[in-house]
Amino acid sequence: GEDVEQSLFLSVREGDSSVINCTYTDSSSTYLYWYKQEPGAGLQLLTYIFSNMDMKQDQRLTVLLNKKDKHLSLRIADTQTGDSAIYFCAERESGGYQKVTFGIGTKLQVIP
Amino acid sequence: DVKVTQSSRYLVKRTGEKVFLECVQDMDHENMFWYRQDPGLGLRLIYFSYDVKMKEKGDIPEGYSVSREKKERFSLILESASTNQTSMYLCASSLLRDSYYGYTFGSGTRLTVV
Repeated sequence: GEDVEQSLFLSVREGDSSVINCTYTDSSSTYLYWYKQEPGAGLQLLTYIFSNMDMKQDQRLTVLLNKKDKHLSLRIADTQTGDSAIYFCAERESGGYQKVTFGIGTKLQVIP
Repeated sequence: DVKVTQSSRYLVKRTGEKVFLECVQDMDHENMFWYRQDPGLGLRLIYFSYDVKMKEKGDIPEGYSVSREKKERFSLILESASTNQTSMYLCASSLLRDSYYGYTFGSGTRLTVV
């Protein structure tokens, strides 16, 4: 089945850029997503990218998609302490029920 | 503001009890999902539903069942709770006709089975 992999932990200093990486297996994925989970809360959709795009920018967030390598990244510019959270990468399969598969999440720690 | 509401934030149940986790959405979404979240394992899909009275098994349906009698409500049932079902349970919904298919999640129910 589909698999989404991401590293478990990332630590950055406040004001630096954060880059969270993800790899996925389904080459026919239609959409890829980044969700954010703050402590004690559910997941919140942060941004998404359609599979025919290479890049998407939304204020401090930049998503890069390399379809050939099945690699997705999320860059957060000027990282703030409020960005400390778990970030989940997810892909949506193209066929069947178009299920969404989530990675295990990357915990971002922002050091003041 | 759109919302997915889970009835309990924290729940403690005894082994062998029948447990009901309720989820209600006010967005007229067709799709609803139940996930469990465990450290190191991420989110795993238990069951999902694309319409009233319809249900499909996810990746880990064993020990669970679901009910969707009304469009806005999706219930997860633990027939006989066991300690390995101690987990955070997350409900989500999405709109079928939304091209990007983003999920809206509830805040979660942390279930402890003792």
